[in-house]
Amino acid sequence: AQTVTQSQPEMSVQEAETVTLSCTYDTSESDYYLFWYKQPPSRQMILVIRQEAYKQQNATENRFSVNFQKAAKSFSLKISDSQLGDAAMYFCAYRKYSGGGADGLTFGKGTHLIIQP
Amino acid sequence: GAGVSQSPSNKVTEKGKDVELRCDPISGHTALYWYRQSLGQGLEFLIYFQGNSAPDKSGLPSDRFSAERTGGSVSTLTIQRTQQEDSAVYLCASSPQRRTTETQYFGPGTRLLVL
Repeated sequence: AQTVTQSQPEMSVQEAETVTLSCTYDTSESDYYLFWYKQPPSRQMILVIRQEAYKQQNATENRFSVNFQKAAKSFSLKISDSQLGDAAMYFCAYRKYSGGGADGLTFGKGTHLIIQP
Repeated sequence: GAGVSQSPSNKVTEKGKDVELRCDPISGHTALYWYRQSLGQGLEFLIYFQGNSAPDKSGLPSDRFSAERTGGSVSTLTIQRTQQEDSAVYLCASSPQRRTTETQYFGPGTRLLVL
């Protein structure tokens, strides 16, 4: 079974600074997808960024970028120029490529990100 | 357009009672997923629907849990004879198709408290 590990229960960063959230995963699959979701107090999970395992290039979305190390099974999220609205729980998630896509997402335990003004 | 909606937003019930949680997916989305988020277990995948069918129900925690989807749209998650360990946030997500490449869009969840 796949597992996703987020080793940082909580992280704090000053506004406008850069922060990196860690995620490692364990799988025997070669094709899969990785995601970072954000969950603010409203509880709604919002997709931040996604990475296809077959792509060597790291995904970027504005201030958000990932460092994907397939051999190390590592998938960290970097948030640049942190803003107060970035404060939330961040979840790393994995989904194997099963053709029909029958499987749900496997999530890590989450990292609580605090933005200090 | 409208996102995924769930009702009720919060539900308090007594141990042993049955509860129904509802999910309205984004219009046109054929795939629908249920997850449970609890303090002890984190986020767990429960079940998915492609259209009205759920090919794999093995993720449901016990036989007290059941789910159905009608008309390829609204889904209901039913918990019979609720137990205190069922207390959690139940999240629903939908995607245009069930392919792995499709992003899942989540609703705001239903917070269930079993007293």
